[in-house]
Amino acid sequence: VQLVESGGGLVKPGGSLRLSCAASGFTFSRHSMNWVRQAPGKGLEWVSSISSTATSIHYTDSVKGRFTIFRDNAKNSLYLQMNSLRAEDTAVYYCARDFIEVAGPGLNWFDPWGQGTLVTVSS
Amino acid sequence: QSVLTQPPSASGTPGQRVTISCSGSSSNIGTNYVYWYQQLPGTAPKLLIYRNSQRPSGDRDRFSGSKSGTSASLAISGLRSEDEADYYCAAWDDSLSRWVFGGGTKLTVL
Repeated sequence: VQLVESGGGLVKPGGSLRLSCAASGFTFSRHSMNWVRQAPGKGLEWVSSISSTATSIHYTDSVKGRFTIFRDNAKNSLYLQMNSLRAEDTAVYYCARDFIEVAGPGLNWFDPWGQGTLVTVSS
Repeated sequence: QSVLTQPPSASGTPGQRVTISCSGSSSNIGTNYVYWYQQLPGTAPKLLIYRNSQRPSGDRDRFSGSKSGTSASLAISGLRSEDEADYYCAAWDDSLSRWVFGGGTKLTVL
């Protein structure tokens, strides 16, 4: 079971970036997926989640209207489209799988995590 | 400021038992499961404890979790140098309708 993120980099404030997460070793289409970020030297912050069929999507308040999570089950891939980026979005972004295929809020956990991709928003 | 409160640091000597606390409220720890993640230096977080006290199959029997009311704790027995890491608690918050994490505890093995 493996998750590999890509797409991070340096972007100016107000700019856009799309992160990707390639999944392998499990039936991707059966699991909800998440993005969790970690600002430099800081703790973990859940960013967004998407259900297996993309019918249920959630965001943390600070990224609502700016970030869009989506997935392509045929390509075993998860994405995060980030627009109107701000300095405070600077972080390592991890994709993480919901371990159980079907479970209600709080009943699941993140396992595994990808290695992360660094997003730096700076002029 | 994190929704869940953890001490920023903890320490112990090899072989010792160390406990890390995680304090929340009725909308998160009080009504939902607690999860613990270990983040070794320079690596991604990894699940350590799920649903308050369950360990992933296989290893890590030196790690145990517990919950009481709106607080939870992680205990590490037989401390080893390789346990040096950041430890995070997490829970679903019913009021915020999102996952919340503690600020993390940096464990140092002296």
